[in-house]
Amino acid sequence: DMKVTQMPRYLIKRMGENVLLECGQDMSHETMYWYRQDPGLGLQLIYISYDVDSNSEGDIPKGYRVSRKKREHFSLILDSAKTNQTSVYFCASSYGGSQDTQYFGPGTRLLVL
Amino acid sequence: GDSVTQTEGLVTLTEGLPVMLNCTYQTIYSNPFLFWYVHYLNESPRLLLKSSTDNKRTEHQGFHATLHKSSSSFHLQKSSAQLSDSALYYCALSENYAQGLTFGLGTRVSVFP
Repeated sequence: DMKVTQMPRYLIKRMGENVLLECGQDMSHETMYWYRQDPGLGLQLIYISYDVDSNSEGDIPKGYRVSRKKREHFSLILDSAKTNQTSVYFCASSYGGSQDTQYFGPGTRLLVL
Repeated sequence: GDSVTQTEGLVTLTEGLPVMLNCTYQTIYSNPFLFWYVHYLNESPRLLLKSSTDNKRTEHQGFHATLHKSSSSFHLQKSSAQLSDSALYYCALSENYAQGLTFGLGTRVSVFP
């Protein structure tokens, strides 16, 4: 059963705190992605990872960093979170690049106070 | 740069009537991939349709779309809306394998009895 998991599902943090969002997939997919979803803005790509330690900025990388030490795990880190980073964050994976089907996780709803 | 424009905001429909969501794109690449992803409430976004073949109709779950490179369009259609079609629909573009998807802003569809 192909699955992308995300932890935690809900998170409340204060401005200035560090945030770690975790994503896992059981499909041995090479490529993984982090998106954020905001009303009226759609899904925006934050980072893309082509494999372990091979990451590239997406459209809105400022304020975020990522880590991929194992093919099945991809982390999104917010160092010193800001209120405008309140959003729903989705992780996705695909077998190859973005022209392959992307499989999405259930999302993490982050509130930064 | 690349961009995707789709029917904006909220589309309300009566069950049984046809559905059409517009999607147009801009890209300098001659062989883009176009996608429709659907996001049902409390679920993960998932692929509905995709195509890279000019003028070929692609179908899934009663929905269909045809990529027309001459007009840079990939409109989503269904002949008869069902209550279960209520969801957020995203049109997305992939220009090349190594980049992430560019999503439109999303169209929320609400189907009423």
